[in-house]
Amino acid sequence: QVQLVESGGGLVKPGGSLRLSCAASGFTFSDYYMSWIRQAPGKGLEWVSYISSSGSTIYYADSVKGRLTISRDNAKNSLYLQLNSLRAEDTAVYYCARARHYYYYYMDVWGKGTTVTVSS
Amino acid sequence: DIQMTQSPSSLSASVGDRVTISCRASQSISSYLNWYQQKLGKAPKLLIYAASSLQSGVPSRFSGSGSGTDFTLTISPLQPEDFATYYCQQSYSTSTWTFGQGTKVEFK
Repeated sequence: QVQLVESGGGLVKPGGSLRLSCAASGFTFSDYYMSWIRQAPGKGLEWVSYISSSGSTIYYADSVKGRLTISRDNAKNSLYLQLNSLRAEDTAVYYCARARHYYYYYMDVWGKGTTVTVSS
Repeated sequence: DIQMTQSPSSLSASVGDRVTISCRASQSISSYLNWYQQKLGKAPKLLIYAASSLQSGVPSRFSGSGSGTDFTLTISPLQPEDFATYYCQQSYSTSTWTFGQGTKVEFK
C-alpha cells in the first residue's frame, strides 16, 4: 500500500546537524511533489519545504531558509531533509508528505513522523 | 506571506451536533484551501482539498465551502471519532504554504 516512513530523528546539540530520510513505497515516487512539515511540542503544523517531482523546483519557509535543505533521490524512492545550525526552536516532529500538484496542491499521504530534539 | 486564521481555537460539542470551523485568509486564495484532521499523537489526515472536494475514503459528514478569503469546514453529524484538531492550509502561494493555527474539537 501507499506508505511513507521517516527516519533519522534524534537528540542533537544546538548548532549541530542531522539528516532526515523519508522512504516511499506503493506509488510512483518520481511522479509526485514531496513536502516536509513539522510540529513543535504542543503546537500546530508548520510547513517547512517542498520539492518538485524532478527536484528542479524547491521552496522553503522563511524560518528555515539557509539552514535546512530538501532533496530527493527518485532512483531510491527517497526524500531527505538536511538540518544544519540547529536551534532549540527546531525541536519538533518532522513529517514527510506526498503532494498532489495538478492545478490544486494538497498533501494526501503523510508519514508517521520522526522526532528531532535540539538540546544541550 | 499569506496568513491563515481559524476560529474558534477550540470548541465543545456533543455527538450528533453540527460543527462549523472557519478559516480566513489574509488575501484572496481562490479555492486553494485544504482541511486536515489530526488526532492526538497521530499524523494529519487530508479531509478536503480545493475548498470543497472530499478526499477519497472520507465520510460524507465532512464538507467544505467557501472561496476567496472565507472558508468553512462542517461536520454533521459529529461522531465520537471526530474529536480531534482540524487545520486549514493554503496552497495558493506556490512559494509558501501556510497552515492555520488549528481548531480543537472537544467533547462537551
